[in-house]
Amino acid sequence: AQKVTQAQTEISVVEKEDVTLDCVYETRDTTYYLFWYKQPPSGELVFLIRRNSFDEQNEISGRYSWNFQKSTSSFNFTITASQVVDSAVYFCALSNNAGNMLTFGGGTRLMVKP
Amino acid sequence: AAGVIQSPRHLIKEKRETATLKCYPIPRHDTVYWYQQGPGQDPQFLISFYEKMQSDKGSIPDRFSAQQFSDYHSELNMSSLELGDSALYFCASSLQGAFGEQYFGPGTRLTVT
Repeated sequence: AQKVTQAQTEISVVEKEDVTLDCVYETRDTTYYLFWYKQPPSGELVFLIRRNSFDEQNEISGRYSWNFQKSTSSFNFTITASQVVDSAVYFCALSNNAGNMLTFGGGTRLMVKP
Repeated sequence: AAGVIQSPRHLIKEKRETATLKCYPIPRHDTVYWYQQGPGQDPQFLISFYEKMQSDKGSIPDRFSAQQFSDYHSELNMSSLELGDSALYFCASSLQGAFGEQYFGPGTRLTVT
């Protein structure tokens, strides 16, 4: 069985602060895929990143960066210089080898105050 | 770029009524997924279809059924609605073999009163 845990249910920061959202996962698959999605107040799910289990290279995209550590089964997400528009619920998710379904973590609500 | 289309965007039904949610995947996507997100919850996988055949089944109640049609659109049929069915229902689509890179529609918010 697969499981994704986002221990932080809610984080509040002031604009321009850096913030890291934690994600820990469990799976028996040797090949799997990890994702981050953003859900703004409007409700849609916005795809941010996909990472496969064989690629532990960290990735940076603008103010976003991701740290994948297979040894600790973690896939953390950092936003640097946060902005009010970053306020949303962020979900970490895991798919199996076949990629047929996503298992989501409980989500972290990020509030960025001006 | 074309995205996943879901209709209706909002739906209000009474207990014991039926509801049908529709999903139109991104053109050329052959796989459709349905998820249910209760208030304050994470999305839960319900069911998926590839080439009109059910490919995976999650926590979908027996009162719900779904299918994918020849044009790849999908419908989720919900009968004997209960208050607990009130949720945001997402459809996502992908290409088979895209290994989970699912693109989500805007969701249908179902309210059961």
